[in-house]
Amino acid sequence: DAGITQSPRHKVTETGTPVTLRCHQTENHRYMYWYRQDPGHGLRLIHYSYGVKDTDKGEVSDGYSVSRSKTEDFLLTLESATSSQTSVYFCATSTGTDTDTQYFGPGTRLTVL
Amino acid sequence: TQLLEQSPQFLSIQEGENLTVYCNSSSVFSSLQWYRQEPGEGPVLLVTVVTGGEVKKLKRLTFQFGDARKDSSLHITAAQPGDTGLYLCAGDNYGQNFVFGPGTRLSVLP
Repeated sequence: DAGITQSPRHKVTETGTPVTLRCHQTENHRYMYWYRQDPGHGLRLIHYSYGVKDTDKGEVSDGYSVSRSKTEDFLLTLESATSSQTSVYFCATSTGTDTDTQYFGPGTRLTVL
Repeated sequence: TQLLEQSPQFLSIQEGENLTVYCNSSSVFSSLQWYRQEPGEGPVLLVTVVTGGEVKKLKRLTFQFGDARKDSSLHITAAQPGDTGLYLCAGDNYGQNFVFGPGTRLSVLP
C-alpha cells in the first residue's frame, strides 16, 4: 500500500451544493490523480497534479476543480454538484516514470440527489 | 481520444476452468498494466508489460503484450474463487496519462 486515504468514504448531497473530496498520501509521490468510475466506462481521469500547485485537466474535467497546496494532499471540488456526478471517485498516486505503478485509494462513493 | 476495449465484459466460470480476457486498442502504448479490483476497494496492480511480445507469469496468471504494443491478454489457469473480481487494463500514454479499459468482471464459482 502507498498510504493513500480518501475522505469522506461516503457522501450524499443535493443538487447545487458544493462538495470537496480529499486525498491524502504519505509516500511523497510526485503525481496525484482523480478518477471517477462508472459502470461500463472504467476509470476516467478528471484532473491530475504533477507537483505542488501544478495541475492539469483530464478527460472529464468539466464541473470539477482541484487544488494541491501540499505534496501530500490533493483536493477535488464539485462547485455545484449535479446528478450526473454521482459516481465512485478514486484518488491515485505515482512517482511519475513512464512505466510507473499507480497506487489507488479506497474510493469515495458520492450520491447527488 | 485513445480507447481501450476489454472482452468479455462479464465472465462466469466454474472453479478449475481456464480463461482468457482481452484488452485491445488502435493506439500504441509505452506500457500496459493489468489491475484487479475487488468490491469496495481501489484497483491493485498485477503486472506491467513494456516490450512488444513480452510474456509475464504471476503464478497461475499469464500476461502477454502484443507485438505492436496495442493489445494484451490475461490468461488464468485453473481459476479459483479468489480470482473473482474486476480486471482492468490500462495503457500508459508515454508518461502523460493512463487510459483505462471498462474492465472484465470475472466470477469464479466454487
